Amino acid sequence: EVQLVESGGGLVQPGRSLRLSCAASGLTFEDYAMHWVRQAPGRGLEWVSGIDWNSGGVAYADSVKGRVIISRDNARKSVYLQMNSVRAEDTALYYCAKQLQGSTIGYYFGMDVWGQGTTVIVSS
Amino acid sequence: QSVLTQPPSASGTPGQRVTISCSGSSSNIGRNPVNWYQQLPGTAPKLLIFSNNQRPSGVPDRFSGSKSGTSASLAISGLQSEDEATYYCASWDDSLNGGGVFGEGTMLTVL
Repeated sequence: EVQLVESGGGLVQPGRSLRLSCAASGLTFEDYAMHWVRQAPGRGLEWVSGIDWNSGGVAYADSVKGRVIISRDNARKSVYLQMNSVRAEDTALYYCAKQLQGSTIGYYFGMDVWGQGTTVIVSS
Repeated sequence: QSVLTQPPSASGTPGQRVTISCSGSSSNIGRNPVNWYQQLPGTAPKLLIFSNNQRPSGVPDRFSGSKSGTSASLAISGLQSEDEATYYCASWDDSLNGGGVFGEGTMLTVL
């Protein structure tokens, strides 16, 4: 069974940093592009960032560009989201998701496996 | 405000057929496939439709998707109570500041 497990969320003060992790199992991790999607309380889904199978291509939403860095370690079957200078509006449940088709981000944006999410609360 | 436009709500009675629309632009739906997700309360999203009209394994054929130009739609036939959920369309946007884009979601109520 393919599984994604996020970790690293928690309560963080505005302006501080935290690193989210997503551990994958049950799949050939390096075959797939990966994404982070977030959902603020009571709100809809918002794509945050995506990364190619070999980290050759990355993309970020305008709302986080310049403040977050996505990375992956195929040997550890993990993808990460380094969040810097966090703001109150970053408060959300952060999901890690596997792209169904294609090993590069872009055209094929369907995500077929999602983790249960890790919660980030930005507050002083 | 989301790049993709969906109606905030929809409803139907058991057995009925309902459709949910998703409107985009030439930089997203107009050139890239559309995907649809179902999210039940308190759970992670589930991929319902990918590449405009393809169903992942395990998704009932009551769910179908279509795309025309810069718009897409999700149809649910034989509506069931367990279909009550929020539905999101999504696509990739190729504009300068592009990336993944979602609709704001349509909350479906089964009356």
